[in-house]
Amino acid sequence: AQKVTQAQTEISVVEKEDVTLDCVYETRDTTYYLFWYKQPPSGELVFLIRRNSFDEQNEISGRYSWNFQKSTSSFNFTITASQVVDSAVYFCALSEVGTNAGKSTFGDGTTLTVKP
Amino acid sequence: NAGVTQTPKFRVLKTGQSMTLLCAQDMNHEYMYWYRQDPGMGLRLIHYSVGEGTTAKGEVPDGYNVSRLKKQNFLLGLESAAPSQTSVYFCASSRAQGGQPQHFGDGTRLSIL
Repeated sequence: AQKVTQAQTEISVVEKEDVTLDCVYETRDTTYYLFWYKQPPSGELVFLIRRNSFDEQNEISGRYSWNFQKSTSSFNFTITASQVVDSAVYFCALSEVGTNAGKSTFGDGTTLTVKP
Repeated sequence: NAGVTQTPKFRVLKTGQSMTLLCAQDMNHEYMYWYRQDPGMGLRLIHYSVGEGTTAKGEVPDGYNVSRLKKQNFLLGLESAAPSQTSVYFCASSRAQGGQPQHFGDGTRLSIL
């Protein structure tokens, strides 16, 4: 069975600090996809990034960066120079392909609070 | 520009009552999903559908039924509501190709007394 672990339940930082959200996953599949979603206090879920299991390149988008390491089954998310608007719950998710295509497993989320 | 629309947004039920949550998407997506979100437990997949007329069980399917009679709609039914089903329910949809991001509705807050 697939599993996604976000060990950090809550993180609190002061504005402009860098913060890394950890995500560790378990799967027997060789082909899979990993995602990060953001859920701000308003409640909607917003897609941030997708990475497939064959692409270990790190990615940077503005203040956001993602580090995918297959060797440690981790897909960590770093926010540089955090801002108050980054305060949200962040979810890491794993998606199957093949016969179970569509089946997704989410982590329990990390609540990030950025204080001014 | 509606995306994924969930109806209703809030509902209070008494134990034993039944109800249906409606999810509609206008993006012509093949896949649709129902999740529940409970405090500290993230999103748990209830049922999902990979196409019109097909449904499959997710992680926590007990006590729920679903139907996908039309491609754009995915209904979640509670036949006999229980307090343990108090939760926020999210519907999502995605394209059929592997590993597509999901587009979520705004959620339905359901309380069962």
